[in-house]
Amino acid sequence: GAVVSQHPSWVICKSGTSVKIECRSLDFQATTMFWYRQFPKQSLMLMATSNEGSKATYEQGVEKDKFLINHASLTLSTLTVTSAHPEDSSFYICSAPAGNAPPQYFGPGTRLTVL
Amino acid sequence: GENVEQHPSTLSVQEGDSAVIKCTYSDSASNYFPWYKQELGKRPQLIIDIRSNVGEKKDQRIAVTLNKTAKHFSLHITETQPEDSAVYFCAATSGTYKYIFGTGTRLKVLA
Repeated sequence: GAVVSQHPSWVICKSGTSVKIECRSLDFQATTMFWYRQFPKQSLMLMATSNEGSKATYEQGVEKDKFLINHASLTLSTLTVTSAHPEDSSFYICSAPAGNAPPQYFGPGTRLTVL
Repeated sequence: GENVEQHPSTLSVQEGDSAVIKCTYSDSASNYFPWYKQELGKRPQLIIDIRSNVGEKKDQRIAVTLNKTAKHFSLHITETQPEDSAVYFCAATSGTYKYIFGTGTRLKVLA
């Protein structure tokens, strides 16, 4: 199956700093990638749809100025959490469909802890 | 927008018994329904999926059924094993690839 990687796998940062998370499709091209956030013992909540070469589409309630998404190539999307606060601590997971049909393939996730 | 409800939230079964998890979706345009298994701290893993033109699909001990009229689909795991213990998520999408996930079911298989 298709492989999606994320980097870093975990990160600890101080409140007020910014953190960048990378999502890469390793063996396929992805014009669309998705970013999810998962709090402990909760489901995956879609944050935004990352579109190669154009602006991301954010879900209702997600601050686009806080969660910056860049999809500069067909294999890389980045999520930058700006001015992170403890409430941003969560498990961030990206996914991408390989081709023009489901399923989506998920990255291994990035655990963000903001002190 | 799409809403997916999932029940039960927790499920305990004896090893060897069957487990059934049910999901209901709201958007009649939804046409693809995957099921994911997630172990603690790891990525969701696709275990089975079904498209709207099919009523049932089976893969060894795992099966999924879809009732489009009632807008619900179910995951069936037979002959459960301790390694089936995990959190299971259903999802629905209408082809935009945007998944809406259910709330998850924590399955515990008791040895």
